[in-house]
Amino acid sequence: DVKVTQSSRYLVKRTGEKVFLECVQDMDHENMFWYRQDPGLGLRLIYFSYDVKMKEKGDIPEGYSVSREKKERFSLILESASTNQTSMYLCASSWRSSSYGYTFGSGTRLTVV
Amino acid sequence: DAKTTQPPSMDCAEGRAANLPCNHSTISGNEYVYWYRQIHSQGPQYIIHGLKNNETNEMASLIITEDRKSSTLILPHATLRDTAVYYCIVRPEDFISNFGNEKLTFGTGTRLTIIP
Repeated sequence: DVKVTQSSRYLVKRTGEKVFLECVQDMDHENMFWYRQDPGLGLRLIYFSYDVKMKEKGDIPEGYSVSREKKERFSLILESASTNQTSMYLCASSWRSSSYGYTFGSGTRLTVV
Repeated sequence: DAKTTQPPSMDCAEGRAANLPCNHSTISGNEYVYWYRQIHSQGPQYIIHGLKNNETNEMASLIITEDRKSSTLILPHATLRDTAVYYCIVRPEDFISNFGNEKLTFGTGTRLTIIP
């Protein structure tokens, strides 16, 4: 089975801290994605990457950056965490072609205090 | 970019067929319709996808209207474990050449509750 693994299930950070959320996939997928999920707003795309060292902004990139140095790993970085970044963060990966769906990780619930 | 519209919630009796509608009236010719579901506290799970023809797999059936402006996901014999939020999304066939013009949006989905 394809696995997308997110490094932490729950995370509590202080305002102003630099936060790294890590995601690793084991199926050699080209595409990787970071979403956040908030009640009433559904899933919103933050950033995605279709190749190593490539990144593209999604719908809500402000306050975030990403890094993809290796094909299997896609990191989401909160440069200076704020309370409005408290959310569920979901990582996903997929083959480049639309003939295949996304595989999601279990999510990281981040609380910024 | 194509958007989808789904009812916010639905109930279905256990053992009956659950029919979840999705409207995607602005869908383009090269866009697939995908369905995912999200069980509480888990990441979304892929269910099925299609372009023009109806599709069936071990989880569900997907019926796409001839004009492709709407679709229906069918869970033939709903169980309590099918209680989840169901998302309908559209995605272009060639993701990379369209990424400058396409936003991949899940929306808020339909909360399906299976009633014993």
